[in-house]
Amino acid sequence: GAGVSQSPSNKVTEKGKDVELRCDPISGHTALYWYRQSLGQGLEFLIYFQGNSAPDKSGLPSDRFSAERTGGSVSTLTIQRTQQEDSAVYLCASSADTGSYNEQFFGPGTRLTVL
Amino acid sequence: GIQVEQSPPDLILQEGANSTLRCNFSDSVNNLQWFHQNPWGQLINLFYIPSGTKQNGRLSATTVATERYSLLYISSSQTTDSGVYFCAVLIWGDMRFGAGTRLTVKP
Repeated sequence: GAGVSQSPSNKVTEKGKDVELRCDPISGHTALYWYRQSLGQGLEFLIYFQGNSAPDKSGLPSDRFSAERTGGSVSTLTIQRTQQEDSAVYLCASSADTGSYNEQFFGPGTRLTVL
Repeated sequence: GIQVEQSPPDLILQEGANSTLRCNFSDSVNNLQWFHQNPWGQLINLFYIPSGTKQNGRLSATTVATERYSLLYISSSQTTDSGVYFCAVLIWGDMRFGAGTRLTVKP
């Protein structure tokens, strides 16, 4: 597609439920990144993929968070047993390569609210 | 890990004024980007600038990698420039963001 897309745009869930957030990167981009932005805060790096593999999972805040990418394209971020502190905007970005010489482009984000 | 500091944290301007936003980083980086986050939360790419100077309309940016800082210049500010400006540095696939500068341009 023309840009990075994310779905849903908004998600309201109850504490303890599982949620899945989806990211469609720019066509042809091999690298994909997930970030979290809490209200009024900067962006926190969560995880990145090169192709289907995730060489760096250090940013995931707990073992309730997981992410996968299949076919080198779409990625899903899953949060199990959601907690209120998981409420945030989850942003996805893609770039042509993980080489740090490539520019990242962001999607519109998914706003997650845990009640 | 690397530290990214932006200043000032908040800036209020009258329409038409000029401003300079600063980004300092604590270590060598592979690349640097400036973003504008609009009121709807979308991150808009402004500059991809590992070094040197770039200009795009009323905006320009300069990165001095050897001295570990970057500057974003906004000239003849407009109300639509309001929002949060983020600096982000890239280190081998990991992007670290500064806390941002919140700019408010008043008519």
